[in-house]
Amino acid sequence: GAVVSQHPSRVICKSGTSVKIECRSLDFQATTMFWYRQFPKQSLMLMATSNEGSKATYEQGVEKDKFLINHASLTLSTLTVTSAHPEDSSFYICSATPGTSGGNEQFFGPGTRLTVL
Amino acid sequence: GENVEQHPSTLSVQEGDSAVIKCTYSDSASNYFPWYKQELGKGPQLIIDIRSNVGEKKDQRIAVTLNKTAKHFSLHITETQPEDSAVYFCAASRGAGTALIFGKGTTLSVSS
Repeated sequence: GAVVSQHPSRVICKSGTSVKIECRSLDFQATTMFWYRQFPKQSLMLMATSNEGSKATYEQGVEKDKFLINHASLTLSTLTVTSAHPEDSSFYICSATPGTSGGNEQFFGPGTRLTVL
Repeated sequence: GENVEQHPSTLSVQEGDSAVIKCTYSDSASNYFPWYKQELGKGPQLIIDIRSNVGEKKDQRIAVTLNKTAKHFSLHITETQPEDSAVYFCAASRGAGTALIFGKGTTLSVSS
């Protein structure tokens, strides 16, 4: 199956700093990538949809100036949490899909555990 | 928007028994229904999916059924094994390139 990687797998940072998380599709081109957030024992909540070469579409309630998303190539999307606060501590997961050319499947990365002190 | 309900939230079975998890969706335009297995601290792993033009799909011990009229779909795991223990999520989307809306998850525990 298709492989999606995330880096880093876990990060601990101080309040007020920014953290960048990378999501890569390793063996396919992803026309669309998605970013989710998952709090302990809860489901995945969609944060934003990212299409290569265009601005991300954010879900209601997600601050686009705080969660910066860049999808510069067909294999890489980045999520930057700016001025992180303890309430931003969560498990961030990306997914990638080949899109209309490759079907509906979404393949998920292994996730990034963010802890803000 | 789409809303996906999933039941039960927890399910405990004995090894060898079957497990069934059910989901309902609200958006009649949804046409893709995947199931994911998530182990602790890991990302979700696609285990099976079904499209709206199919009523049932099977892959070894795992099967999924879809009733478009009733807007519900189910995951069936037969001959459960301890390694099947995990959180299972159903999801729905309108198709290629569109976001998945997830159910709240089912924690499956298989005891030997």
